[in-house]
Amino acid sequence: EAQVTQNPRYLITVTGKKLTVTCSQNMNHEYMSWYRQDPGLGLRQIYYSMNVEVTDKGDVPEGYKVSRKEKRNFPLILESPSPNQTSLYFCASRSNYRNQPQHFGDGTRLSIL
Amino acid sequence: AQTVTQSQPEMSVQEAETVTLSCTYDTSESDYYLFWYKQPPSRQMILVIRQEAYKQQNATENRFSVNFQKAAKSFSLKISDSQLGDAAMYFCAYRSPTIATAGNKLTFGGGTRVLVKP
Repeated sequence: EAQVTQNPRYLITVTGKKLTVTCSQNMNHEYMSWYRQDPGLGLRQIYYSMNVEVTDKGDVPEGYKVSRKEKRNFPLILESPSPNQTSLYFCASRSNYRNQPQHFGDGTRLSIL
Repeated sequence: AQTVTQSQPEMSVQEAETVTLSCTYDTSESDYYLFWYKQPPSRQMILVIRQEAYKQQNATENRFSVNFQKAAKSFSLKISDSQLGDAAMYFCAYRSPTIATAGNKLTFGGGTRVLVKP
């Protein structure tokens, strides 16, 4: 089954404790992105990757890191989480064909205390 | 930069009735894609319908249809014969066709919550 898998689904942690949210897709997609969802703001892009070892900042990259060492994986790293990073996070992927839609993971609810 | 605006934070509809969600966007591009996503309480992002700007014909998917007004930069979603399972948050989204545009990122509106009354 074609899917984007995020882990964990939920995480409660404390300020400053490094964490990683994993994302893996099994569709051989070139493009992968991370979004955060906040009430009234919709989803905003954090980082994106157009292929292995090619990543770039989205609209709200501060406080986040990513890496793309393998085509299928695109982890999101919070080196020193802060309460303003409490949010719902989505990983997404799509192929590089023109009219293909994004496939989203099921989301990760992060709470930073 | 593109922006997407959904002016209705919440809409209520009676079961079996029709509801229309509004979406406007701002862009200087002539070719682009527009999407409506549904987010039920399970938090999944489910693609409802998509429209390619160069196509004049409005997209339809079963009970869901759009009214795409390119000149007005408007992209409304109509849900006909509303069902209890349609209750969710709905997001309008824009995507540039240009690969260089942040990996074809989606720009989302703030969302409209749809309540369905039995």
